[in-house]
Amino acid sequence: KNQVEQSPQSLIILEGKNCTLQCNYTVSPFSNLRWYKQDTGRGPVSLTIMTFSENTKSNGRYTATLDADTKQSSLHITASQLSDSASYICVVSGVDSSYKLIFGSGTRLLVRP
Amino acid sequence: NAGVTQTPKFQVLKTGQSMTLQCAQDMNHEYMSWYRQDPGMGLRLIHYSVGAGITDQGEVPNGYNVSRSTTEDFPLRLLSAAPSQTSVYFCASMFQAGTGNTIYFGEGSWLTVV
Repeated sequence: KNQVEQSPQSLIILEGKNCTLQCNYTVSPFSNLRWYKQDTGRGPVSLTIMTFSENTKSNGRYTATLDADTKQSSLHITASQLSDSASYICVVSGVDSSYKLIFGSGTRLLVRP
Repeated sequence: NAGVTQTPKFQVLKTGQSMTLQCAQDMNHEYMSWYRQDPGMGLRLIHYSVGAGITDQGEVPNGYNVSRSTTEDFPLRLLSAAPSQTSVYFCASMFQAGTGNTIYFGEGSWLTVV
């Protein structure tokens, strides 16, 4: 069964610190992987999209990496800000059904002053 | 560009009632979909559409109907609401199903069935 597992489930860091969120998936054959940020009470907003041939993609202080061989991705947040407090969701789609997205359950990040 | 617009934002229903969650997008996207989000779980696909007149079931379609008479609109109908349908519902759209396309989500509809 195609799955997307994210870790940790929740994370608390101090403002200004860096952190890394993990995503492991079993979707095969793999098409692309997306990271989304979801603020409390809002819809998810896209951060990055990577295809199988891409190893890294940045969006400001957010950098996503992808290892298609080990089926792992990470989202690195640099110099965290209070506004980074949100859930971060990893979304994977397969080649045979690229419109059927498989969502991880997310990592809840809390940035404290 | 309003993006993806969902209404209502909040709704309380009694068991057995029916209702429609509205979703509209103004980006001329072919692909539209509905998800539900429950605590501790990832978003799960209810129904999706790859174009006007075309719909298909997702992972959790039971108890829901959809139609796609226009490119812009993709309403989700709850036929006979059950407490198990208490959830947050998100509508999403994408230019075309395929690699590299950004998926745009609405702001969500909070539904409580009592």
